[in-house]
Amino acid sequence: GNSVTQMEGPVTLSEEAFLTINCTYTATGYPSLFWYVQYPGEGLQLLLKATKADDKGSNKGFEATYRKETTSFHLEKGSVQVSDSAVYFCALSEIETAGKSTFGDGTTLTVKP
Amino acid sequence: GAGVSQSPSNKVTEKGKDVELRCDPISGHTALYWYRQRLGQGLEFLIYFQGNSAPDKSGLPSDRFSAERTGESVSTLTIQRTQQEDSAVYLCASSSPTKRGETQYFGPGTRLLVL
Repeated sequence: GNSVTQMEGPVTLSEEAFLTINCTYTATGYPSLFWYVQYPGEGLQLLLKATKADDKGSNKGFEATYRKETTSFHLEKGSVQVSDSAVYFCALSEIETAGKSTFGDGTTLTVKP
Repeated sequence: GAGVSQSPSNKVTEKGKDVELRCDPISGHTALYWYRQRLGQGLEFLIYFQGNSAPDKSGLPSDRFSAERTGESVSTLTIQRTQQEDSAVYLCASSSPTKRGETQYFGPGTRLLVL
């Protein structure tokens, strides 16, 4: 079956530090890959996505590149802000399984001023 | 509506009682998901509805949990004889997975507390 493995948290960084949250996956087909974010007290929302190999998703200064050869979709940001403090979830979905999604366990990021 | 809505937003119940949670997906979305999120933990998949296909119930933790969906509209998640370990936020999401990369849109969740 499909699975998503995320870097374990929590992650604590100082403002303006570089962020990487690792995500690797296993899938039976050719999935689309996603990062969702959950800010404190809010619901999950899409941060970025990529639908084919070598695509780069980007939003709010975050980036992730779909690497088929390493089955990875690592999330990066060059300079984090306090407002980036949230829980980040990596996920995949496949048309071949009627779009059912698989989520990682989430990584909690805290950014200190 | 503009997004996925869930009701109630909060529910406090006594151990052993039954509860029913409701989800209104985005109009036109054929897929609907229920997840459970315990405090400080990740998403636990419960059940998935897609169009007229048989639902994927592989994530339901016990036979006390059941869910229904009529067509492509409202879904209800029922928990019978609630236990304290059922306390969690129950999230609903919908999507239209007819092409690659379709996003799931999440509701605000129902926070369930079993005393």
